[in-house]
Amino acid sequence: DAGVIQSPRHEVTEMGQEVTLRCKPISGHDYLFWYRQTMMRGLELLIYFNNNVPIDDSGMPEDRFSAKMPNASFSTLKIQPSEPRDSAVYFCASRKGSYYGYTFGSGTRLTVV
Amino acid sequence: AQSVAQPEDQVNVAEGNPLTVKCTYSVSGNPYLFWYVQYPNRGLQFLLKYITGDNLVKGSYGFEAEFNKSQTSFHLKKPSALVSDSALYFCAVRKEGYQKVTFGIGTKLQVIP
Repeated sequence: DAGVIQSPRHEVTEMGQEVTLRCKPISGHDYLFWYRQTMMRGLELLIYFNNNVPIDDSGMPEDRFSAKMPNASFSTLKIQPSEPRDSAVYFCASRKGSYYGYTFGSGTRLTVV
Repeated sequence: AQSVAQPEDQVNVAEGNPLTVKCTYSVSGNPYLFWYVQYPNRGLQFLLKYITGDNLVKGSYGFEAEFNKSQTSFHLKKPSALVSDSALYFCAVRKEGYQKVTFGIGTKLQVIP
């Protein structure tokens, strides 16, 4: 198994532009989580899905952020419009059932200038 | 509410010596506890978990952790440190029946040759 696959690995964009981050979870995993990591705030949970359905998006910072999971093998996190304070590493993680740990992707390092 | 405290920003240990990375938690109800490791520019990797059963749990790469309910602690240990163990270590907790995981701020482990 190739693990959780995220793309792109790095993204540099100008303030105001739309950014789309992509994630392919491990086949058979029924939970998918999006996290953001910064030095100041550590790891923050943004949203999670169970069986492709968004369950809790209370961590999404504001309406500029949206996430979708159209099928079991693909999820996107979109920021529109982007702002410099969105600069962070965004991780996708998947999990099978309720008793296992996460498998994380390698992350997308987003820089908004 | 649930929270995790990692009281040490950094732990230094000589190669071959035992290591301990500390973690305490707060959760209402039964805790599920986890340790993850993060190498530079990589996603977090799952090391071990405590769900129920034996208080001493063994995980990947020779790491183990001891669940202590009375002290609400879940310290990570290894009998003999390797230089390659140098990384950032995260403790995490979630309440039984609750899907959201809360991560600590991380402890940087430096193993000195």
